[in-house]
Amino acid sequence: EPEVTQTPSHQVTQMGQEVILRCVPISNHLYFYWYRQILGQKVEFLVSFYNNEISEKSEIFDDQFSVERPDGSNFTLKIRSTKLEDSAMYFCASRAELAGYTFGSGTRLTVV
Amino acid sequence: AQSVTQPDIHITVSEGASLELRCNYSYGATPYLFWYVQSPGQGLQLLLKYFSGDTLVQGIKGFEAEFKRSQSSFNLRKPSVHWSDAAEYFCAVGAFQGAQKLVFGQGTRLTINP
Repeated sequence: EPEVTQTPSHQVTQMGQEVILRCVPISNHLYFYWYRQILGQKVEFLVSFYNNEISEKSEIFDDQFSVERPDGSNFTLKIRSTKLEDSAMYFCASRAELAGYTFGSGTRLTVV
Repeated sequence: AQSVTQPDIHITVSEGASLELRCNYSYGATPYLFWYVQSPGQGLQLLLKYFSGDTLVQGIKGFEAEFKRSQSSFNLRKPSVHWSDAAEYFCAVGAFQGAQKLVFGQGTRLTINP
């Protein structure tokens, strides 16, 4: 069964550093998403992406965040200057039209 | 705006007992409903989903859920729980088409007593 692949599985970074989280969605999917889950809390929507542009973003998704689909296969989330409160599990998801949402296994980001 | 409410933050049941986890949603169109399970430190595993058809949906691991439009509910059930069912369970609502996001409830943590 096709999977959404996320790399790395765990990343540790120093506060103020830039990080890029990578995702390879399922190849025929059209819609792409990033979600965040702070330890012990709910899964929160960050951003959705379709047709090479952002469809919707949440209040969390401020100017420190950006997304890109640079080569038609990867889908990246960049955090420009990480803060301690960015420590969380980040999930990528994708979906085809008239289909369910498929999630990756997540990247655990630890900001120290 | 779409929203999901899971009224029970934490539920404890004995192994072999039946289980029902509650989920209520608010959505302006026809909802696409999901239940996910998450073990500590792990990703989200899809248990089942519903968009149309029979309102009683069967999922993996012996779980089922019933859609009740009149109550805006999508409760998850299992007749007999196993110790391995201990996890966090999330209900979510989205759209069947378009870029609409999936919105999650707060989650219900399930503890199993031996």
